[in-house]
Amino acid sequence: DVKVTQSSRYLVKRTGEKVFLECVQDMDHENMFWYRQDPGLGLRLIYFSYDVKMKEKGDIPEGYSVSREKKERFSLILESASTNQTSMYLCASSSSDRAGYGYTFGSGTRLTVV
Amino acid sequence: QKEVEQNSGPLSVPEGAIASLNCTYSDRGSQSFFWYRQYSGKSPELIMFIYSNGDKEDGRFTAQLNKASQYVSLLIRDSQPSDSATYLCAVNSATSGTYKYIFGTGTRLKVLA
Repeated sequence: DVKVTQSSRYLVKRTGEKVFLECVQDMDHENMFWYRQDPGLGLRLIYFSYDVKMKEKGDIPEGYSVSREKKERFSLILESASTNQTSMYLCASSSSDRAGYGYTFGSGTRLTVV
Repeated sequence: QKEVEQNSGPLSVPEGAIASLNCTYSDRGSQSFFWYRQYSGKSPELIMFIYSNGDKEDGRFTAQLNKASQYVSLLIRDSQPSDSATYLCAVNSATSGTYKYIFGTGTRLKVLA
């Protein structure tokens, strides 16, 4: 069964900490995405990547960075966590060859910053 | 105007009825359209995609696309309590790039037993 795996289901961090959220996919997908989901705001794109070592800003990149050193892994980094970054974080991947076939999402990481 | 709009609901239907979920989009160049189901506390899962005008059926689900009117809908026949979830519409926009989708905020569906 194809999968997108996010390393943590729940995470609690302190304000100012550097936070790493990891995402790994086993489908050999070229495209990977990081979203956050908040009530009433829907899914908002933070960063995405079409290839190894490539990244592009999404709609809300401020306070975040990403790393894609290997095709299967896409990491989201909160440089200095703040309480307004408390949210559900969703990683997704898709194939460039089958771009019209939608994303596969990971199970999500619920991050609380205290 | 939001790029992808959905009524937030909740939409309540009795068990066995047809649930009709609607989505409008603003970019006429959009090419691919998706419906995701998201249970509370879970991540979205893809249930339907459609590219061409008209209807596409998969089991109890039918996606309908009308590019001239810029709307896409999802019909769920014989609704079951297990269909209770939030349904997200996603659109591939010509301006956002082929591989990047824009999501609506979702419609919450409640199927009453």
